[in-house]
Amino acid sequence: DARVTQTPRHKVTEMGQEVTMRCQPILGHNTVFWYRQTMMQGLELLAYFRNRAPLDDSGMPKDRFSAEMPDATLATLKIQPSEPRDSAVYFCASGLVRGVGYNEQFFGPGTRLTVL
Amino acid sequence: AQSVTQPDIHITVSEGASLELRCNYSYGATPYLFWYVQSPGQGLQLLLKYFSGDTLVQGIKGFEAEFKRSQSSFNLRKPSVHWSDAAEYFCAVGKGDDKIIFGKGTRLHILP
Repeated sequence: DARVTQTPRHKVTEMGQEVTMRCQPILGHNTVFWYRQTMMQGLELLAYFRNRAPLDDSGMPKDRFSAEMPDATLATLKIQPSEPRDSAVYFCASGLVRGVGYNEQFFGPGTRLTVL
Repeated sequence: AQSVTQPDIHITVSEGASLELRCNYSYGATPYLFWYVQSPGQGLQLLLKYFSGDTLVQGIKGFEAEFKRSQSSFNLRKPSVHWSDAAEYFCAVGKGDDKIIFGKGTRLHILP
């Protein structure tokens, strides 16, 4: 049963610390998305990649957030330095885009981040 | 700009009763529409999607949705809910560039 995995599932850290969240997309998928979910804002797209290349990171605070795909099996989202307002659930999703129309995005279980 | 509105933040229905969750979208062209479900502590799972063709779309878990262009709506329905359907439901619209805009969600509560 192929699924997106995310680590860690929970992270508690202090303000100013670096946080790294990892995502393993489903094997063979060529598109990876990072979302942030909060009560106030709902689901927000932070960044996404196709074939490991960043296509859009306009939803991401550039001064402290960075997203990368070192290889096809790993996507990372880093926050440095972290702030209390970054507390949220961060979801990774992957999909297979074949050029016409949309395909399903498969979501991971999320990383619940708490910044004290 | 594209947007999705789910007017009901919470919905409560009795087990066995029918369900309709409302979704309205704003989009200048033919939309790509989705319904996702999120169980507590879980990620989102696709229930169904509409790209074109038959405006009544069947999904998993007994759900269906109807696309009504004249009303800019894509409401989700189920004839008889089960306690396991308690979750949060998100309507979403595709922007035409791989990205999806999600609504704020409707939390469904089931009374025994």
